[in-house]
Amino acid sequence: NAGVTQTPKFRVLKTGQSMTLLCAQDMNHEYMYWYRQDPGMGLRLIHYSVGEGTTAKGEVPDGYNVSRLKKQNFLLGLESAAPSQTSVYFCASSYDRDLNAYEQYFGPGTRLTVT
Amino acid sequence: QQQVKQSPQSLIVQKGGISIINCAYENTAFDYFPWYQQFPGKGPALLIAIRPDVSEKKEGRFTISFNKSAKQFSLHIMDSQPGDSATYFCAASVSNFGNEKLTFGTGTRLTIIP
Repeated sequence: NAGVTQTPKFRVLKTGQSMTLLCAQDMNHEYMYWYRQDPGMGLRLIHYSVGEGTTAKGEVPDGYNVSRLKKQNFLLGLESAAPSQTSVYFCASSYDRDLNAYEQYFGPGTRLTVT
Repeated sequence: QQQVKQSPQSLIVQKGGISIINCAYENTAFDYFPWYQQFPGKGPALLIAIRPDVSEKKEGRFTISFNKSAKQFSLHIMDSQPGDSATYFCAASVSNFGNEKLTFGTGTRLTIIP
């Protein structure tokens, strides 16, 4: 049981380049989330999904797009990277319908630098 | 607007002492208050959580104290150990059938010195 995994672990982009971050969970969770973590600002929600095929905006959605084509995967895309998107990105999942458990589990993070 | 304010930003405690981290919130609709522990290079992990129907919850050396009227909650770590050195985040959310969109505090870097 790997929990929540993220790919890649590190990435350096030039301004204007695009990339996709992949999150996968093997806990059969209904909900998935993308956060960014910046020094002194805690974690801020970018986008989230309450089920396969659904997505919604969080607190800081601008410059990002997401897709959840399969229940176990949640993709975060940056179409045109900007230096302000330099951050550590965390994926999380929650809600085990069978256990009625709501705890959020986080992945190990992706450190992204945009130059 | 920061809806969950956390203090202090950093904290140094001697081994065996009590570590106390405080959080205050503004949204009275919040009804779920978890604390997360994060080690360098790792993702946050749930440590302990409380709902406002109780004023205190204890799990081992970790205790959450909750004051609904003051809109404050705090984490107490008893008999602090060097292995407790980590960054701690408080969070709050409005329960929504498992869709807990968490609002995080800014974090406290805790260092336990021998």
